[in-house]
Order: sequence, then C-alpha cells, then structure tokens
Amino acid sequence: DAGVIQSPRHEVTEMGQEVTLRCKPISGHNSLFWYRQTMMRGLELLIYFNNNVPIDDSGMPEDRFSAKMPNASFSTLKIQPSEPRDSAVYFCASSTDRVHGYTFGSGTRLTVV
Amino acid sequence: ELKVEQNPLFLSMQEGKNYTIYCNYSTTSDRLYWYRQDPGKSLESLFVLLSNGAVKQEGRLMASLDTKARLSTLHITAAVHDLSATYFCAASGNTPLVFGKGTRLSVIA
Repeated sequence: DAGVIQSPRHEVTEMGQEVTLRCKPISGHNSLFWYRQTMMRGLELLIYFNNNVPIDDSGMPEDRFSAKMPNASFSTLKIQPSEPRDSAVYFCASSTDRVHGYTFGSGTRLTVV
Repeated sequence: ELKVEQNPLFLSMQEGKNYTIYCNYSTTSDRLYWYRQDPGKSLESLFVLLSNGAVKQEGRLMASLDTKARLSTLHITAAVHDLSATYFCAASGNTPLVFGKGTRLSVIA
C-alpha cells in the first residue's frame, strides 16, 4: 500500500489566491482527517470525515476554508482567498475509524506571501 | 474539551543517558498514542496504549499509561543520536485524536 498520498508537497502562492490541497487515503480506511501544523499552535484538527461525510468541521478557522470528500479515495482542502497567516504544514490522515491509529500523509507545506 | 499537555517541550540529552517525557490529558481517554516526527517529515506511529497499566517497548523507547492519573510516559534508555526527533502524544475521548505540543528531543555526544 502506498500509504496516504498528499499533493502538492510544497505550495507557494500569493495572498488572495485560491489554494487546493489534495489527499488520497489508504484504501479501506473510512475516516479521513485534515490537520494543520504550526510552530505556535502545534497540530490542530480542521475537519474530519467518516464514510465521506463531514462529521465535525468546528476546527476550520474561517469561511475561507472548505473541504470536500466526493468519494472514498479523494479529499480536497481549499482556501479561498489565502492569507499569509494560513502558512503552515497541512496533513491528511486516514484510519479505519476515529480512534484507531492514524496513518499520516507526507504533508503539504503551504507558504502564502 | 480534551486537552493534552506534554513536558518538557524541549529536551537536550547526552548520549547514553536516560530520560522521561510526560503526557497529561484532561478528561477520560480510551487510548493514548505516541508519534515521532523527524524534521520536515510526517508523523510516524510508535505506540498505542489501550488500558490502564499498559506498557509497550520498542528498542530504547518504552511507553506506559496510567488512566487514573491521566498520565502517559515515554522513557528513553541510553539515548543515541538517532532518537533525535519530536515526539507527540495524542489522546482520544469521544473525539478524533488531540495532540500535545510535542517534545523536541536532541541527543548530543
């Protein structure tokens, strides 16, 4: 199994632009999580899906952030418009359910200038 | 709301020495995880502890769980340079995993 696959690995964009991060979970995992990692705040849960349905998006910082999971093998996290304070590493993780061990992707390092 | 605190946040150890990282959590958690993260890399699962008194060991690392004290420890024995990384604990109540801020470990000669 290739693990959780995220793309792109690095993204540099200008303030105000739309950014889309992508994630392919491990086949058979029915829970998917988006986390954001910064030095100041550590790892924060943004949103999670169970069986492709968003369960809790209370961690999404603002309406500029949105996430979708159109099928079991693909999820996106979109930021529109992006701001410099959105600069962080965004991790996607998947699991068989919300409490079993998570497998993390390699992350997307986002820099908004 | 479940909160997870680790200490210390930074740890500089000499090779060959022993040390312990502490992880406290604020409310009932049905399991406790430890992860390792190398600089610029993803998080790698080290241990999952499922019950009070659970102990897991892998090489120079040993993790334990005391659910009554809401405390987990990660003990490092005879540290070597390869253990330099950031270590996270994570707990789960009726929520997805909540992570501590991490302990950045540097093992120096």
